[in-house]
Amino acid sequence: NAGVTQTPKFRVLKTGQSMTLLCAQDMNHEYMYWYRQDPGMGLRLIHYSVGEGTTAKGEVPDGYNVSRLKKQNFLLGLESAAPSQTSVYFCASSYAHLRINQPQHFGDGTRLSIL
Amino acid sequence: GQNIDQPTEMTATEGAIVQINCTYQTSGFNGLFWYQQHAGEAPTFLSYNVLDGLEEKGRFSSFLSRSKGYSYLLLKELQMKDSASYLCAVRDVTDSWGKLQFGAGTQVVVTP
Repeated sequence: NAGVTQTPKFRVLKTGQSMTLLCAQDMNHEYMYWYRQDPGMGLRLIHYSVGEGTTAKGEVPDGYNVSRLKKQNFLLGLESAAPSQTSVYFCASSYAHLRINQPQHFGDGTRLSIL
Repeated sequence: GQNIDQPTEMTATEGAIVQINCTYQTSGFNGLFWYQQHAGEAPTFLSYNVLDGLEEKGRFSSFLSRSKGYSYLLLKELQMKDSASYLCAVRDVTDSWGKLQFGAGTQVVVTP
């Protein structure tokens, strides 16, 4: 009964360090997403993927890269962390939008602080 | 582009009713979702509307008027556990794949 699993749950980085956030889903969903959530700003889409081997930019992609080598996994990378990237990061997955009443399912989030 | 507006915070007493409004502007509307998010947790799906009218699910109901760009989430018989942020999200298919645009969320505080 895992759903969407994110690792790690918490992380503190220094400016300039790099890291990768991992997301795995076991629902055979086609679409996967990375969001960031900041106070007063709601969820903002960073990157998304509509299938294995494909990725695309969302609303706030700068400073992030992604990869989807396997259908069940979606990785978010920060090459050189900046304090502005301090946020809570959520991964989500869903069936393709043609199944229009299917919602996105979210992981528990990764709380990332950049010092 | 899209613009989604919902109130920042609402307070109500246990057992009461609260209505959370959401207005939106979008060029390729294809459905509106409501999510509940408790502090420090993931958003969880509550309801979906794509046609005009009311959808009822137990104590929660959601209404949509596409011509007015308006939706509301109605929470009845409020319980303390309903204290959470409620997110309105609109699906836009202008770019064919149907991304969601989220509002900033409405924090509902339920008092005894």
